[in-house]
Amino acid sequence: QSALTQPPSASGSPGQSVTISCTGTSSDVGDYNYVSWYQQHPGKAPKLMIYEVTKRPSGVPDRFSGSKSANTASLTVSGLQAEDEADYYCSSYAVGNNLVVFGGGTKLTVL
Amino acid sequence: QVQLVESGGGVVQPGRSLRLSCAGSGFTFRNYGMYWVRQVPGKGLEWVALIWHDGTKENYAESVKGRFTISKDDSKNTLYLQMDSLRAEDTAVYYCARDLSYGSHEFWGQGTLVTVSS
Repeated sequence: QSALTQPPSASGSPGQSVTISCTGTSSDVGDYNYVSWYQQHPGKAPKLMIYEVTKRPSGVPDRFSGSKSANTASLTVSGLQAEDEADYYCSSYAVGNNLVVFGGGTKLTVL
Repeated sequence: QVQLVESGGGVVQPGRSLRLSCAGSGFTFRNYGMYWVRQVPGKGLEWVALIWHDGTKENYAESVKGRFTISKDDSKNTLYLQMDSLRAEDTAVYYCARDLSYGSHEFWGQGTLVTVSS
């Protein structure tokens, strides 16, 4: 069981927007603005898409955006493209036994 | 460009030890905290360990505390993970990653597979 809760799947048609949620607690997502999102294609290493809730690393399209409200963070992918089909994981800095906690992942399907 | 290359994975019996290495290039190794993250094939990501940029502090996941040791050699631009008392549940692809800020992993290696089996 993962520390952060994500829906197992999400989907959308090309050009549409989709939002993936990531629910934690007051000891992780709710207490820190250090939520990250990763994209992982099959057989590849994860790629950082969002850090510190809303920031995008260099080279990440602005179609990807992040937000947070209380204990839930969200990743929104706008203008869906075929290459966005991948697994997406959230993570958060945390208080407690584990310094970093991950969500269980969401498989995004572009219909 | 930043590059991280893991090595040292393989098949090992339960209870035995293994040391993973991660060679970094394209950046000033001593300036960055470094992580190990693992992933059971077909499953999600699990943070394993962090070493601060200056090597003065380490943090471990509860699942590996007391069995794994993270270290770095800045003169060799290399990160290590010493894994002792291995268990079947440690079977996973192990990735090294470079820190960006407070738990975000900016660059990742390609991963090395560790299989613990008799």
